[in-house]
This record gives sequence, structure tokens and C-alpha cells, in this order.
Amino acid sequence: AQSVTQPDIHITVSEGASLELRCNYSYGATPYLFWYVQSPGQGLQLLLKYFSGDTLVQGIKGFEAEFKRSQSSFNLRKPSVHWSDAAEYFCATLRIKAAGNKLTFGGGTRVLVKP
Amino acid sequence: DTEVTQTPKHLVMGMTNKKSLKCEQHMGHRAMYWYKQKAKKPPELMFVYSYEKLSINESVPSRFSPECPNSSLLNLHLHALQPEDSALYLCASSQVTGPTVGVYGYTFGSGTRLTVV
Repeated sequence: AQSVTQPDIHITVSEGASLELRCNYSYGATPYLFWYVQSPGQGLQLLLKYFSGDTLVQGIKGFEAEFKRSQSSFNLRKPSVHWSDAAEYFCATLRIKAAGNKLTFGGGTRVLVKP
Repeated sequence: DTEVTQTPKHLVMGMTNKKSLKCEQHMGHRAMYWYKQKAKKPPELMFVYSYEKLSINESVPSRFSPECPNSSLLNLHLHALQPEDSALYLCASSQVTGPTVGVYGYTFGSGTRLTVV
């Protein structure tokens, strides 16, 4: 079945340091992949998405992600984190079917930012 | 308007109560979704509406009853809930259904925090 997994449950990073969050997908064809961010008690905000074309995708808030078919990965990166980047990050994949589309999330990675 | 608006933001209800959650969008999206998110867990799909018709029900108990009165509005009617139904309920919408929806992604509301006592 089409799915994504996020190997890291928690990541702690110092403010100003770089951040990389891992996402692995399971799907034979080119998947639709997304990264969302969720602040405590809030909804989800789309950071970026990939479905075809350039494998390096730029998103909002200074985030980027790279699609690597050889590694079945879609990792999220930010060169220099800010305290406001502390949040839960979800990788997601979209299953397209005639009956309706289903966005399925990985387990999430909680990012803590140290001053 | 690029938002999905959910009301109320917080709801406390007893197990014998009937309440409704409301979701509204004015982006012209023709697909709308309900997700349930338990604490420290990812969101899980409950229902999908496409062009105001229910297209996916992820085996959700009948105490949750969705309704899509028009293309801008999505309701979730709640009746005889259990304490384990306490969660953040998220509504989302997308611009189109079918293969091109991947281009646009989903827009999520801020959610309704539901507590069943």
C-alpha cells in the first residue's frame, strides 16, 4: 500500500543550526508527496509539495525538500532554524482514485529548538 | 479568501449530547474532508466529499454523521460520543479531485478541539 514513514519521532536542534527531517515513501510509481507543519493546537500548513519535475523543491519559510527515487526519500531541510520552527512536521502522500483522493500522513517528527 | 474556517474552536460535550462541527471555505474547492487527530498522532481520514457527494467513508462509526449542504460548507454531526472520541477534528479542502489535485494540495482549517465528558 502507498505510505510514508518518518523514522525520527523527535529531533532537537540549536537555533541557527541546520535541520533535516527524513521521510521515506513506499510506492512504485512517482508519488505525490507533501510536507506539512503543525504548531501546537493548530491545523496543518503546507510547506511544499512534489509530484513531478525538478527534484529539489522550494517551499515557504525557507524550507526545501529533495525527492530521491533511488533512496525512496523526500527529506525536508532548512539551513538555519529559528525558534519559531519548533513544531510537528508531517510528511504525506496522496493516493489518487476515482472514488476520491486520500492524503495519508507519516507518524510525524517533533522538532524542538534550543536557544 | 484562502482559508478554511472551522467552528467552534473548542467544544465540550456530554455523552448524551448532540452537537455539530462546521467547516466553511470560499476558495471554490469541490472536495472537502474530515480528519480526526488524537494527541501526538498524525491526522486520520474520516470522510471525503467530492462535488457535495460522500465518496469515501473510512469505516467511521455512525455516531459521526457528515453533511455537505453546498460546495462551501461541510458539517459533522455528533451524537452519543464516547470519551475516546475526544480529539482535534480537522477539516480540509482541495481545488479539484482526480489526478491534478496533486498540483494544488490540501488546505486545512485550524480544527475543533473536542472533549467528550
